[in-house]
Amino acid sequence: DGGITQSPKYLFRKEGQNVTLSCEQNLNHDAMYWYRQDPGQGLRLIYYSQIVNDFQKGDIAEGYSVSREKKESFPLTVTSAQKNPTAFYLCASSEDSVAGGEQFFGPGTRLTVL
Amino acid sequence: EDQVTQSPEALRLQEGESSSLNCSYTVSGLRGLFWYRQDPGKGPEFLFTLYSAGEEKEKERLKATLTKKESFLHITAPKPEDSATYLCAVRTNAGGTSYGKLTFGQGTILTVHP
Repeated sequence: DGGITQSPKYLFRKEGQNVTLSCEQNLNHDAMYWYRQDPGQGLRLIYYSQIVNDFQKGDIAEGYSVSREKKESFPLTVTSAQKNPTAFYLCASSEDSVAGGEQFFGPGTRLTVL
Repeated sequence: EDQVTQSPEALRLQEGESSSLNCSYTVSGLRGLFWYRQDPGKGPEFLFTLYSAGEEKEKERLKATLTKKESFLHITAPKPEDSATYLCAVRTNAGGTSYGKLTFGQGTILTVHP
């Protein structure tokens, strides 16, 4: 059963802590993406990766970091430098990022800062 | 700057009452317009891709259409299970690079009452 998995579903962080959100896909997609969703706002792109060992900043990369060591995995770290990290985080993938085509999303991780 | 605006922000319908959701866009170099459905607390689910003005796509009670400035998602005889947030996104060339960036609208919250 192909798809995208994200874990955990809910995550609580104390101020000053770094946390890592997991994203795995078995769709054999080259491109992967991280978005942040806040109430009443559209999805905003944090980072994207077009190929293994390469990634680029999106519109709101400050306070976040990523890695892409394997094709199927694209973890996101929310660092203590992110001023307002409470949000719903969505991972997505697509066959590639150039030719077009739809992005498919995972179920999301809701991060709350205590 | 690419802009995507969805209207209305919220729409309440009675079961069987047909209506339309609007997605208007101001972009350079459109490379596709995407519709997604999102249920509360879940990731967006892909519905349609439209690439050129005049194109139409249908799925069950939903039909998406595209002009040079906007897209409509028509809902015919809706049922309560159609209640969700509907997201529109446009794909453009980001800064002349090969990457096709998605810009999302803020969504329309649809509620269908029995």
